[in-house]
Amino acid sequence: DILLTQSPGTLSLSPGEGATLSCRASQSVSSNYLAWFQQKVGQAPRLLIYGASSRATGTPDRFSGSGSGTDFTLTISRLEPEDFAMYYCQQYGSSPYTFGQGTKLEIK
Amino acid sequence: QVQLVQSGAEVKEPGASIKVSCKTSGFTFSAHYLHWVRQAPGQGLEWMGWINPFNGGTRYAQKFHGRVTMTSDTSTTTVYMDLTSLTSDDTALYFCARESNFGAGWFYWGQGTLVTVSS
Repeated sequence: DILLTQSPGTLSLSPGEGATLSCRASQSVSSNYLAWFQQKVGQAPRLLIYGASSRATGTPDRFSGSGSGTDFTLTISRLEPEDFAMYYCQQYGSSPYTFGQGTKLEIK
Repeated sequence: QVQLVQSGAEVKEPGASIKVSCKTSGFTFSAHYLHWVRQAPGQGLEWMGWINPFNGGTRYAQKFHGRVTMTSDTSTTTVYMDLTSLTSDDTALYFCARESNFGAGWFYWGQGTLVTVSS
């Protein structure tokens, strides 16, 4: 199974600042099928990025994904109040599909 | 528009079984794999398995082998997830999600079904 490790566990920032979230895989992610999700309490996950760097429909352009192989990054250029939430990476290139443990982005 | 609408919350006793439904609409049912993911209270996301509605093929996470069964009904475009021998560890929010074609990720999700296992 591919283990995904996200860092940091918690990120405390202020609106307007930039954020960098990391996701490291225990082995190479097939076809760079790496996704990023945003989740708010009590809601379903929202797909932000797929294929490591492609924005999903409706994802604001302040969100960008990068990386390949085993190291991936989600960057949020200027935080808006609605961006404070949990973020999960997921690899869907090989079964079993796995998620990282999440990064909590909180308001400082 | 694409919709995935799940059945309502349930409370079950330990040892019981649960069957959660995910009614789909707005797309060709047989053309997309559907996945089940769960989230225990305060915890992360855990993939349980997928079903291919085209032929009923399934693949389950090893952790759930022997306890989970996923089925589909093409006449109602609904997928089901059966989980048996419930314990308190199965208390979670269960989601269905539609896989997009061509590696475009899982954009569409159901609203979630809360399953509580308690005596």
